[in-house]
Amino acid sequence: AQSVSQHNHHVILSEAASLELGCNYSYGGTVNLFWYVQYPGQHLQLLLKYFSGDPLVKGIKGFEAEFIKSKFSFNLRKPSVQWSDTAEYFCAVTTKTSYDKVIFGPGTSLSVIP
Amino acid sequence: AAGVIQSPRHLIKEKRETATLKCYPIPRHDTVYWYQQGPGQDPQFLISFYEKMQSDKGSIPDRFSAQQFSDYHSELNMSSLELGDSALYFCASSYTGQTYNEQFFGPGTRLTVL
Repeated sequence: AQSVSQHNHHVILSEAASLELGCNYSYGGTVNLFWYVQYPGQHLQLLLKYFSGDPLVKGIKGFEAEFIKSKFSFNLRKPSVQWSDTAEYFCAVTTKTSYDKVIFGPGTSLSVIP
Repeated sequence: AAGVIQSPRHLIKEKRETATLKCYPIPRHDTVYWYQQGPGQDPQFLISFYEKMQSDKGSIPDRFSAQQFSDYHSELNMSSLELGDSALYFCASSYTGQTYNEQFFGPGTRLTVL
């Protein structure tokens, strides 16, 4: 069965600090990878996605992620965080099967201090 | 672009009551998924439908049932509500004819059971 783990439960950063959130998945086959953000009290919003090709993926709001197949990892990065990035971040995976469910990681809560 | 529509957005019910959540997928999408996100938790897959047939089942309580109709919209029926059913319920849709398995999430229905 697939599973997703995220390295940190809660991260606290000052504004302008760099961010890296770790994500590892467990699955023997080919996967699609996603990062979602959820602002307090709001719905899921897709930050970026990886299906194939260039393992360095750029998303919205200055976020990027790198897929490292040998490490089963898909870490999220941002060079300089803002207070408005305070949110919950979920790494997620699906298989290539056309109607397979999304498996979410447990989430990382990011707090950015002004 | 059209998005996934969920109704109602907020719902308050008493214990032991019933609730019906509705989901309208993006036009042309043939697969619908339901997820439950409890407070402080990651979204958990409940059930999915492809072409009006159940395609996968996750940790959905027996008190819950769902179906997909001929116009592809889906309804999640919840009976004998319990306090623990209070959660954000997401619907997502996808199109099996697309190259990659990508699901598009709706804004969610926030259910509060008193």
